[in-house]
Amino acid sequence: DGGITQSPKYLFRKEGQNVTLSCEQNLNHDAMYWYRQDPGQGLRLIYYSQIVNDFQKGDIAEGYSVSREKKESFPLTVTSAQKNPTAFYLCASSIGAGIGNTIYFGEGSWLTVV
Amino acid sequence: QKEVEQNSGPLSVPEGAIASLNCTYSDRGSQSFFWYRQYSGKSPELIMSIYSNGDKEDGRFTAQLNKASQYVSLLIRDSQPSDSATYLCAVNRRDYGGATNKLIFGTGTLLAVQP
Repeated sequence: DGGITQSPKYLFRKEGQNVTLSCEQNLNHDAMYWYRQDPGQGLRLIYYSQIVNDFQKGDIAEGYSVSREKKESFPLTVTSAQKNPTAFYLCASSIGAGIGNTIYFGEGSWLTVV
Repeated sequence: QKEVEQNSGPLSVPEGAIASLNCTYSDRGSQSFFWYRQYSGKSPELIMSIYSNGDKEDGRFTAQLNKASQYVSLLIRDSQPSDSATYLCAVNRRDYGGATNKLIFGTGTLLAVQP
């Protein structure tokens, strides 16, 4: 089946640890995105990538890093510099990065700091 | 002013009624508008997209766009309990010369359909 797969679904992080969230898509989409969702705040864009080997900061990139070495993969690392990482993380993709392309979401990953 | 504003609700309607969800946006240059449905604990799923002024219908759903008033709405006819969810309005933001597809989301409206 075509789609966007995120793993793990649930992740617990200790203070000071870096963690990496995986995102893989088999839709042959060029553009990929990471959003964060907190209660009552909607979705906020962390990073996006229009094409392989290129990515841009979104609105809340501080404390996060990404890579885009393959078209189908866009992992997100939550570093220890992110002071409030507990949230629902959503990976998404679209055919292209042009305006109007529909963005589709993976099932999400819940990250909790313990 | 938030870029995309929605009433957080909850909006409560009886089964079979029409649910009307509203959204306003601040960027007059926005060209693409989307409605997503999100069940509790799940990821958003696309309901409708609309790009031109007027109405767009898809089954029980109708999206309405008025660019002059910077207003987009979603009507759900014959509401069912299974429609109970949070509905997110998303609007594209023009960045980097208008070439990049960055969606800005509202905080969502919680819809509760009462059986």
